[in-house]
Amino acid sequence: DVKVTQSSRYLVKRTGEKVFLECVQDMDHENMFWYRQDPGLGLRLIYFSYDVKMKEKGDIPEGYSVSREKKERFSLILESASTNQTSMYLCASSHASEVLEQYFGPGTRLTVT
Amino acid sequence: QKEVEQNSGPLSVPEGAIASLNCTYSDRVSQSFFWYRQYSGKSPELIMSIYSNGDKEDGRFTAQLNKASQYVSLLIRDSQPSDSATYLCAVNRGTGNQFYFGTGTSLTVIP
Repeated sequence: DVKVTQSSRYLVKRTGEKVFLECVQDMDHENMFWYRQDPGLGLRLIYFSYDVKMKEKGDIPEGYSVSREKKERFSLILESASTNQTSMYLCASSHASEVLEQYFGPGTRLTVT
Repeated sequence: QKEVEQNSGPLSVPEGAIASLNCTYSDRVSQSFFWYRQYSGKSPELIMSIYSNGDKEDGRFTAQLNKASQYVSLLIRDSQPSDSATYLCAVNRGTGNQFYFGTGTSLTVIP
């Protein structure tokens, strides 16, 4: 059974703080993804990684960075949190093969005040 | 034009009826198609994947793909109140690992 875990379910941070969101998967997946989900806008891809130390920008990378030092772990970093980054953040992972099913973690509800 | 379009609903069906959810996509080279169910406050859960034209059945769920029309659908037979959720359609082009998601269709099954 695929398991993707995220470090926090709920997080409250202040404007300007540096925020780290962690994601860990236990299925030896090559690909890992960070999305944010907002009402009316759906899921939007922030960054993805297809290998250790490799990363690709998604549709909305501004204000975010990522780190993947180990295959199972993918971190999202908000360098200086702003109120417009209040959102649900979802991590997902998948194999890099013709079977590309993505599996999601439980999500982190981040509020920036 | 959005990559993936879904009718946002809400779609309401009585318990025991067939719920039909539809999705269109813009890029003809898209290769892989997925349906996710998302309960309020929860993360998306994969329920079906389909890669070739035609129908794919899994229990009460049937996914249908028509690449010529760039159309994917999900049928839920014998709908139950527990099926009430938002259903997300996702598409992968096959040229990379990026998925494109629709904004979801909200389904309510009325007991």
